[in-house]
Amino acid sequence: GDSVTQMEGPVTLSEEAFLTINCTYTATGYPSLFWYVQYPGEGLQLLLKATKADDKGSNKGFEATYRKETTSFHLEKGSVQVSDSAVYFCALLNSGNTPLVFGKGTRLSVIA
Amino acid sequence: SQTIHQWPATLVQPVGSPLSLECTVEGTSNPNLYWYRQAAGRGLQLLFYSVGIGQISSEVPQNLSASRPQDRQFILSSKKLLLSDSGFYLCAWRVDGYYNEQFFGPGTRLTVL
Repeated sequence: GDSVTQMEGPVTLSEEAFLTINCTYTATGYPSLFWYVQYPGEGLQLLLKATKADDKGSNKGFEATYRKETTSFHLEKGSVQVSDSAVYFCALLNSGNTPLVFGKGTRLSVIA
Repeated sequence: SQTIHQWPATLVQPVGSPLSLECTVEGTSNPNLYWYRQAAGRGLQLLFYSVGIGQISSEVPQNLSASRPQDRQFILSSKKLLLSDSGFYLCAWRVDGYYNEQFFGPGTRLTVL
């Protein structure tokens, strides 16, 4: 079945450091790919998405490019802030009415 | 605009007591609805989903059940809570479609003592 694999956390970075959170997927066909963020004590919210190969999703300084050849959707940010501390989830959707498939999440802590 | 509500926000219940968590969605029709559980420090576990009134799919066998009595209402229940039921429960909705994102509620923090 479909699956998403994320790098194990936690990830701890200093403010203004470069961030990469790896995400790879296994799926038949051409899934849509998503990154969600969960701030402490809250529900998840969509950070960015990409719906076809070579699409780049971006939001709030975060970017991720849909790479079909490597089945990857790595999340990057050039300069993280303390306010970016959260758990990040990679997810895929492979057909219209099936549930999203989520990775296990990566906890990011940014220290001043 | 669409909104999703969950209540209660926090709940402390003794082992063996019943449970009812409610989720309602506003501003959309015929959404797909989902219940997830997040144990402390763990990822998301899909518990149930529904594509229509009275239609429930269970992903994990357990002592929880779900019901969808109205188009935009989704209820998570248990007759007798276990310690292992403690966690953060999230409701979510999505409209059918390959590109459509999923929206999450604010969650309910359940502690079973």
